[in-house]
Amino acid sequence: DTAVSQTPKYLVTQMGNDKSIKCEQNLGHDTMYWYKQDSKKFLKIMFSYNNKEFIINETVPNRFSPKSPDKAHLNLHINSLELGDSAVYFCASSQGGLAGGQETQYFGPGTRLLVL
Amino acid sequence: GIQVEQSPPDLILQEGANSTLRCNFSDSVNNLQWFHQNPWGQLINLFYIPSGTKQNGRLSATTVATERYSLLYISSSQTTDSGVYFCAVGDTGTASKLTFGTGTRLQVTL
Repeated sequence: DTAVSQTPKYLVTQMGNDKSIKCEQNLGHDTMYWYKQDSKKFLKIMFSYNNKEFIINETVPNRFSPKSPDKAHLNLHINSLELGDSAVYFCASSQGGLAGGQETQYFGPGTRLLVL
Repeated sequence: GIQVEQSPPDLILQEGANSTLRCNFSDSVNNLQWFHQNPWGQLINLFYIPSGTKQNGRLSATTVATERYSLLYISSSQTTDSGVYFCAVGDTGTASKLTFGTGTRLQVTL
């Protein structure tokens, strides 16, 4: 069984378009995250949600908006896509999240976004 | 924010060799994880180890929190060990936020 899943795996789109990436976890975890990995493999957190409540925003442009319909899902919407948004986006989840982050985080397979 | 440095940046080994990867961090942490990113891009959690020593098969890890470093040991390396190894830390002040190091790229050859 897949623990953290993302769709789509690959996304190729034109500049200026709006796109969404979906994430689901079946681990019963309370906290979900989005990370961005750039072309140099550097990984950086974007957002964190705990039980549908927003807890971390790492100075991400407001073109990026996470949406959590329930605690098992955290979708990422990106408006007006730019060339610099090309990257791999990873969703992750952990059991808790509020107690100083003292839990293992489990990552999805990633979504490779290419903006042309 | 907390700084995370990994060394070496690149490592080439022959199959069967042993290696040690190092992670230094600049502040107190309450979360430290080692990940392996395989050639297909999947991030696999190896260890959750904010302190102490753990072993899992050919891999083991040690974190000395008071001296702000962690080591990942790979013994009898195999070609399937190739990929990028990341250390990620969470500091004591910020819930859930993991800061990643720049990684060690490992290539194991026959």
